[in-house]
Amino acid sequence: QVQLVQSGAEGKKPGASVKVSCKASGYTFTGYVMHWVRQAPGQGLEWMGWINPENGNAKYSQKFQGRVTITRDTSATTAYMELSSLRSEDTAVYYCARSDYDWSGHFPNHYFQYWGQGTLVTVSS
Amino acid sequence: EILLTQSPATLSLSPGDRATLSCRASQSVSTYLAWYQQIPGQAPRLLIYDASNRATGIPARFSGSGSGTDFTLTISSLEPEDFAVYYCQQRGNWPLTFGGGTKVEIK
Repeated sequence: QVQLVQSGAEGKKPGASVKVSCKASGYTFTGYVMHWVRQAPGQGLEWMGWINPENGNAKYSQKFQGRVTITRDTSATTAYMELSSLRSEDTAVYYCARSDYDWSGHFPNHYFQYWGQGTLVTVSS
Repeated sequence: EILLTQSPATLSLSPGDRATLSCRASQSVSTYLAWYQQIPGQAPRLLIYDASNRATGIPARFSGSGSGTDFTLTISSLEPEDFAVYYCQQRGNWPLTFGGGTKVEIK
C-alpha cells in the first residue's frame, strides 16, 4: 500500500532553514509527482510546489519562489522540501502529498490522493 | 491566482441531516475541482475529484456537482464521523489553490 512517512517535528530560529523529508513506499517512486502543502495553526491549506521525481523538475508557488527548494533522491525514494529565511509566519504543519494520473493516464491530475502524516515546523526566537 | 470562496464558514447540523457545501471560483476552472475532508489532527482525505467523481473508498453519501465557477459538495445523511472541516481545491490554473474551508459541526 502507498505510504508517505515524513521526518519529525523541527524547531527553528528566525532566519534559519529547515529541510523536511518524505519517504515513499508501496509504489514506483519515479512514476508519480509529489506536492508539498502547508497548514498554519488553525488555518487552511496552502500549496507550495511540486516535483516530478522522474526528472527532478520542480515548480513552485510564486509566494515561496526563492525560499523553497523541492528535491528528491530516487535511490532513497524520498522527496525533500527545504524552506529558507524562516520567519514566525512559517510555523505550520508541512505535508507531502502524491498525485495520481488524470483520465488519460498520461498526465498527473494534481489532486492529492495520498498524504504524509505531516511535520510540524515551529519558528520562534 | 484563482480565489476559491467556500460557504458557509460553519454548518451546524445533526446526524442524519443533509449537508450542502458551496465553493465558488473567481474564474472558471472547468470541472478541475476536488473536495477534501480533514479531521482535527489528521491529514486531509480526498473525497471528490474532477467535480463529481468519488475517490477510491469514499461512501456514496458524498457527492459533488458543478462546473465553471460554482460547485457543491453534498453529504446526503450525516454520519458521526462526517463532522469535520471540508476544503475545495482547484487545478484549473497555476498556482493550485484551496478554499478557506467549511466546518461541519454537531448542532
